Amino acid sequence: ILNVEQSPQSLHVQEGDSTNFTCSFPSSNFYALHWYRWETAKSPEALFVMTLNGDEKKKGRISATLNTKEGYSYLYIKGSQPEDSATYLCAPNSGGSNYKLTFGKGTLLTVNP
Amino acid sequence: GAGVSQTPSNKVTEKGKYVELRCDPISGHTALYWYRQSLGQGPEFLIYFQGTGAADDSGLPNDRFFAVRPEGSVSTLKIQRTERGDSAVYLCASSLGGVGSYNEQFFGPGTRLTVL
Repeated sequence: ILNVEQSPQSLHVQEGDSTNFTCSFPSSNFYALHWYRWETAKSPEALFVMTLNGDEKKKGRISATLNTKEGYSYLYIKGSQPEDSATYLCAPNSGGSNYKLTFGKGTLLTVNP
Repeated sequence: GAGVSQTPSNKVTEKGKYVELRCDPISGHTALYWYRQSLGQGPEFLIYFQGTGAADDSGLPNDRFFAVRPEGSVSTLKIQRTERGDSAVYLCASSLGGVGSYNEQFFGPGTRLTVL
């Protein structure tokens, strides 16, 4: 079973703050890492698929980096807004498979106006 | 375009009953997945379909759980003799599939199952 750890478990920030969270995973048999944002009562929304060591991806105020050698990824949010409030999930592909995702427990972000 | 849809959105049942959860994937997606999220956990893989066949059902917890996708589109997850521990959000996802692709998975909103 793949061990995927996300930290912190939850985070409260003020509107305008920048924040970041961590996903760590076993570095062996790496295939890809997926980041999702999941707002309450909605579908999990794909943010990034990251595949190469040193990858950095950006979507608006959100960016992510990947280190496959040491087995971690960071997600950054610049200038947090209340609409960023959600659970952020990371999921590496399990055991080199191209379909099976193993999710962490997520980081619950609350942005206060 | 239409995303992945799941019905019902909520299901409350009694222990021992049979339930069916339905998933309508994105049109043209050959791959379909079921995950389950229990309280305080991340989503956990249950089963993966490529077309009509279950390519990997290693995540189904026991033989009370079964899933079908008879025409390679809609899928139904069936749970017999439900137990309180089956209470969870059941998520369905679909992707284009294909060997060598990164299979970005698109999720539905889930079915929240409560077993009393």
